[in-house]
Amino acid sequence: LAKTTQPISMDSYEGQEVNITCSHNNIATNDYITWYQQFPSQGPRFIIQGYKTKVTNEVASLFIPADRKSSTLSLPRVSLSDTAVYYCLVVMYNNNDMRFGAGTRLTVKP
Amino acid sequence: GAVVSQHPSWVICKSGTSVKIECRSLDFQATTMFWYRQFPKQSLMLMATSNEGSKATYEQGVEKDKFLINHASLTLSTLTVTSAHPEDSSFYICSARKDPNTGELFFGEGSRLTVL
Repeated sequence: LAKTTQPISMDSYEGQEVNITCSHNNIATNDYITWYQQFPSQGPRFIIQGYKTKVTNEVASLFIPADRKSSTLSLPRVSLSDTAVYYCLVVMYNNNDMRFGAGTRLTVKP
Repeated sequence: GAVVSQHPSWVICKSGTSVKIECRSLDFQATTMFWYRQFPKQSLMLMATSNEGSKATYEQGVEKDKFLINHASLTLSTLTVTSAHPEDSSFYICSARKDPNTGELFFGEGSRLTVL
């Protein structure tokens, strides 16, 4: 499994766009990039998944450069309720190595 | 999406007793389930991968005789913390993968264990 590195914490203000970058230098050809959100005392929740270029859903966008050695989760116009820990997880299809990295603790301030 | 449910949500027990936590996939069959432990302000630590009908695969450093995992059906995996001690107090979370061709994991709500 490709090891991931993320900033430990980030602060933002309501209404701003937040970009959280994850480094995965050892990503393999068959690996996909997934992002999860976790609130205190809850299980994580899947946000988005991508392989290359850009993926967008109703919650976030995921930008992946051509070399795939990093990815950026973009949260548009955050609100206080987006305060959470965000995890980047690199997954190989049909492989069950599901070890999480340290995650990024995002704090959104009013 | 899919639903994974854990029970109990929280449990308090005396030192030396055993505690069982259930993880159910409510609307899909899960060949594989994952068990994590999480201490305050820390990330999820993968404890073991639970495979239906076979033995679980434990991560290095996780005592398989202390954390018994049983995956007897495609919708149920259980984690039993045997002879629990205060240092076993933690937040235990299970997850399941509905489609092996995606990276999407569905997580349970978590179970908070407090050992007195």
